Amino acid sequence: GNSVTQMEGPVTLSEEAFLTINCTYTATGYPSLFWYVQYPGEGLQLLLKATKADDKGSNKGFEATYRKETTSFHLEKGSVQVSDSAVYFCALWGYSTLTFGKGTMLLVSP
Amino acid sequence: NAGVTQTPKFQVLKTGQSMTLQCAQDMNHEYMSWYRQDPGMGLRLIHYSVGAGITDQGEVPNGYNVSRSTTEDFPLRLLSAAPSQTSVYFCASSYNTEAFFGQGTRLTVV
Repeated sequence: GNSVTQMEGPVTLSEEAFLTINCTYTATGYPSLFWYVQYPGEGLQLLLKATKADDKGSNKGFEATYRKETTSFHLEKGSVQVSDSAVYFCALWGYSTLTFGKGTMLLVSP
Repeated sequence: NAGVTQTPKFQVLKTGQSMTLQCAQDMNHEYMSWYRQDPGMGLRLIHYSVGAGITDQGEVPNGYNVSRSTTEDFPLRLLSAAPSQTSVYFCASSYNTEAFFGQGTRLTVV
């Protein structure tokens, strides 16, 4: 079956630091890949997505590239802000549903 | 558009009670899903539907029932609540692999 593995948190950074959250997946074929973000007390929101190999998804300064050869979809941001503090979920679409990683909490301090 | 609406937002149940979590979407999406979110476990799929009249089990279906009589509604029923069902429940509707989530229902079973 499908599975997603992402780095455990929390990830603690100072404002303006560089962010990487690792995500790898196991799936048949070439699924669409996603990053969702969950702010405290809220539901999940789509952050970015990529639908085929070598695609780069980007939004709000975040980027992730679909790497077929390493089955990875790592999330990066060049300069994080306090407002980026949230839980980030990597996910893939397959069998009509999403499969999620366990989530990575990001804490950004001023 | 309201998007995906879940009710109630909070609920406390006694062990053995039954209840229905409501989920409605106004985007005419065929795909709908229920997830539960537990600390350190990410989101796990309970049940999903690919259209009216069609439902299937996800990763953790025991203790839950669903039905899909209309495109708009996808209620989740707890038949006899147990403390292990204490969780935050999210409903999602999907179009072309992109999922839209409700705000969640925080359920406590005592």
